[in-house]
Amino acid sequence: NAGVTQTPKFQVLKTGQSMTLQCAQDMNHEYMSWYRQDPGMGLRLIHYSVGAGITDQGEVPNGYNVSRSTTEDFPLRLLSAAPSQTSVYFCASRRSSNQPQHFGDGTRLSIL
Amino acid sequence: GEDVEQSLFLSVREGDSSVINCTYTDSSSTYLYWYKQEPGAGLQLLTYIFSNMDMKQDQRLTVLLNKKDKHLSLRIADTQTGDSAIYFCAESMGGGSQGNLIFGKGTKLSVKP
Repeated sequence: NAGVTQTPKFQVLKTGQSMTLQCAQDMNHEYMSWYRQDPGMGLRLIHYSVGAGITDQGEVPNGYNVSRSTTEDFPLRLLSAAPSQTSVYFCASRRSSNQPQHFGDGTRLSIL
Repeated sequence: GEDVEQSLFLSVREGDSSVINCTYTDSSSTYLYWYKQEPGAGLQLLTYIFSNMDMKQDQRLTVLLNKKDKHLSLRIADTQTGDSAIYFCAESMGGGSQGNLIFGKGTKLSVKP
């Protein structure tokens, strides 16, 4: 009963590097979202998807790309990492727009 | 714009009741949520309330919703040291945002033995 799985759990990058944070869910949920959590800021929405092939921007999308080629997977790509992207990243999924979101355990990302 | 406000800290003694308060701005929110986050962990859904309800009770948890004042509270009865965590209030965004959540900054609950 995996739920929402995020990999890696920790990552350190150098400024300018690119990487992909992985998110997979096994609940056949249509809706998936990416949030970042910064100290004193709560969680903020980066990108979201309402189904395979459909993505949209959230509150803080700059510097990130997403795609949704399958229902199960929703990777988040950092194109050219910057120290301001040091954060904890959470992926979430839900069955429909009015259902509760289920969160993964997060990826702790540090950019030097 | 939409915003969710919470007090940042709450300290209680073990066995007492804890009340965490939240105010929100989007009157079109359909659901309001409480999540719990323990150190180094993800967010755990505690409970949620539909916007046409005034109260919801689930074991030690009681959620009260005052829609007129846009005020939400979470009461934890008989608070235990294991309840020490950060508690996030969240409202679902209306319109084209497809129910994505706006979070408060979280209330850190400390339970003293």
